[in-house]
Amino acid sequence: KAGVTQTPRYLIKTRGQQVTLSCSPISGHRSVSWYQQTPGQGLQFLFEYFSETQRNKGNFPGRFSGRQFSNSRSEMNVSTLELGDSALYLCASKGQGNTEAFFGQGTRLTVV
Amino acid sequence: GQQLNQSPQSMFIQEGEDVSMNCTSSSIFNTWLWYKQDPGEGPVLLIALYKAGELTSNGRLTAQFGITRKDSFLNISASIPSDVGIYFCAGQKGNNDMRFGAGTRLTVKP
Repeated sequence: KAGVTQTPRYLIKTRGQQVTLSCSPISGHRSVSWYQQTPGQGLQFLFEYFSETQRNKGNFPGRFSGRQFSNSRSEMNVSTLELGDSALYLCASKGQGNTEAFFGQGTRLTVV
Repeated sequence: GQQLNQSPQSMFIQEGEDVSMNCTSSSIFNTWLWYKQDPGEGPVLLIALYKAGELTSNGRLTAQFGITRKDSFLNISASIPSDVGIYFCAGQKGNNDMRFGAGTRLTVKP
């Protein structure tokens, strides 16, 4: 069974641009969560989608948005990029029972 | 944001030594999980705990779910160089989002 797949692995963007990251969960998993990881702030929760609906939301500005498709794949969008958005973005999927979360390898975003 | 207090922040140990790290919270959780993260990779699940008092092992790793449901610890016995990495605790309650500790960076000297 394939694990959580995130694309792309690496991305370089310029300040002011927007970016879309993709996450394909483990087959059968309907919950997808997104996290931002930086050296100073650790793992910060962005939002969680379950069955195409946002179920939980962290404390990030509206520039950070997401969505989930009927096949449970999820995308995360960041608009008007700032230098401080440079981070490793991780997604995690959970299956039936919503207990153990499995992470993808992450997308390393660098904003210049 | 993070609501879990994880300690120690970092550890430098000799190969063969045992390691212990823990997490405490002001909130009660129904599930405690421990992850390990290698540089540039996503966290990998090591152990999941579901009941207060539960003690679970995975090879040289042992973790316990505290009786108060507000804490958990992870022990690594007879450490080896490949144990190097950052270890995170995470707590979850119901359908709420998972909360993470700040991580324990482990260095193992051969």
